[in-house]
Amino acid sequence: NFMLTQPHSVSESPGKTVTISCTRSSGSIASNYVQWYQQRPGSSPTAVIYEDNQRPSGVPDRFSGSIDSSSNSASLTISGLKTEDEADYYCQSYDGSTQVFGGGTKLTVL
Amino acid sequence: QVQLVEYGGGVVQPGRSLRLSCAASGFSFSDYGMHWVRQAPGKGLEWVAVISSDGGNKHYAVSVKGRFTISRDNSKNMLYLQMNSLRPEDTAVYHCANVHNDFWSGYLGYWGQGTLVTVSS
Repeated sequence: NFMLTQPHSVSESPGKTVTISCTRSSGSIASNYVQWYQQRPGSSPTAVIYEDNQRPSGVPDRFSGSIDSSSNSASLTISGLKTEDEADYYCQSYDGSTQVFGGGTKLTVL
Repeated sequence: QVQLVEYGGGVVQPGRSLRLSCAASGFSFSDYGMHWVRQAPGKGLEWVAVISSDGGNKHYAVSVKGRFTISRDNSKNMLYLQMNSLRPEDTAVYHCANVHNDFWSGYLGYWGQGTLVTVSS
């Protein structure tokens, strides 16, 4: 099995841009899609990125995703930060036998 | 409007069993794969199990394999999770979620609010 490692927390000011990383421990990050979920306090998760860089309907284009094979990692970038973006963010991927979530990153917008 | 409502959680002693249910509405349930995902109090998300739209394919996390069984009844728009031999580390909020696109590589589009399972003596 593999792991997805995320920073525990990040913080940035409103209007700025923040990037959250997600590093895959084994197996190629490019071999399987990476999804990203936002979970606001007290709410269930919602998808903000799927298939590495696709946005579900209704997700603003301030959210973008990418993968970097050289570092075997995926990234979620949020530009034009708003206070409503403050939440926990989880990356998720899979291999032939299991689905894995990253440990989550708490984003503080201050 | 898509709705996923989980129920059946509660307090149960270690070693006992519990069956969770997830009632789906607002979408064509029989066309979607379904996942169970859990979240221990104050912790991150952990995948539990997935079932394909017709129920023919099922996969489990190593931590629950052999103890939990996922199933569905498409005639009733219901998803289930039978949990046996429960352990304290199974304590979590259990969410059901539907899968958009392929049941294995797709993303979890809609999530229920979850039902809390507490395993304690």
